[in-house]
Amino acid sequence: NAGVTQTPKFQVLKTGQSMTLQCAQDMNHEYMSWYRQDPGMGLRLIHYSVGAGITDQGEVPNGYNVSRSTTEDFPLRLLSAAPSQTSVYFCASRLRQGVDNQPQHFGDGTRLSIL
Amino acid sequence: KNQVEQSPQSLIILEGKNCTLQCNYTVSPFSNLRWYKQDTGRGPVSLTIMTFSENTKSNGRYTATLDADTKQSSLHITASQLSDSASYICVVSALGGGADGLTFGKGTHLIIQP
Repeated sequence: NAGVTQTPKFQVLKTGQSMTLQCAQDMNHEYMSWYRQDPGMGLRLIHYSVGAGITDQGEVPNGYNVSRSTTEDFPLRLLSAAPSQTSVYFCASRLRQGVDNQPQHFGDGTRLSIL
Repeated sequence: KNQVEQSPQSLIILEGKNCTLQCNYTVSPFSNLRWYKQDTGRGPVSLTIMTFSENTKSNGRYTATLDADTKQSSLHITASQLSDSASYICVVSALGGGADGLTFGKGTHLIIQP
């Protein structure tokens, strides 16, 4: 039981490049989400999904795309990397939306630098 | 706008001492309050979740309290250990809140010195 697995752990990109951050969970959780964590700020929601085939925007969605073709996987795509997207990205999952007393399970993050 | 404020920003204490971290929130309507521990280079890990009707919850040496009337919570760490060095994040959930309904604090960075 691995929980939430994120790859890669580190990545350096040049401005304008695209890439996909991978996230997989093996807990059969319906709800998955992506956050970014920047120095001096709380985690901010980028996109989330309440189940396979359903995604929606969070607080800071611009420049990112997501898809949810399976319950297990929730990749985050950077379309054209910008220096402002340098951050640590966390994927999280929980049983389902609306079950408020369930904890979120986080991956260990992807540290992304855009030059 | 929903907000979560944590204090202090950072704290250094000696191993074996106790400490208390604070969280004030203006989230409405309130659903629950969570404390997470985030080790350096790792993702946050849940410590406690408290609903409106709970005013204390413990997890080992960690004890969280909640005063829903004053919209304040605290996390008390007893007999600190070096492994307690981490950031502690307070998260408040809004009932029926849009998106994931969660508002994150900026965290308190705790350093335990031997």
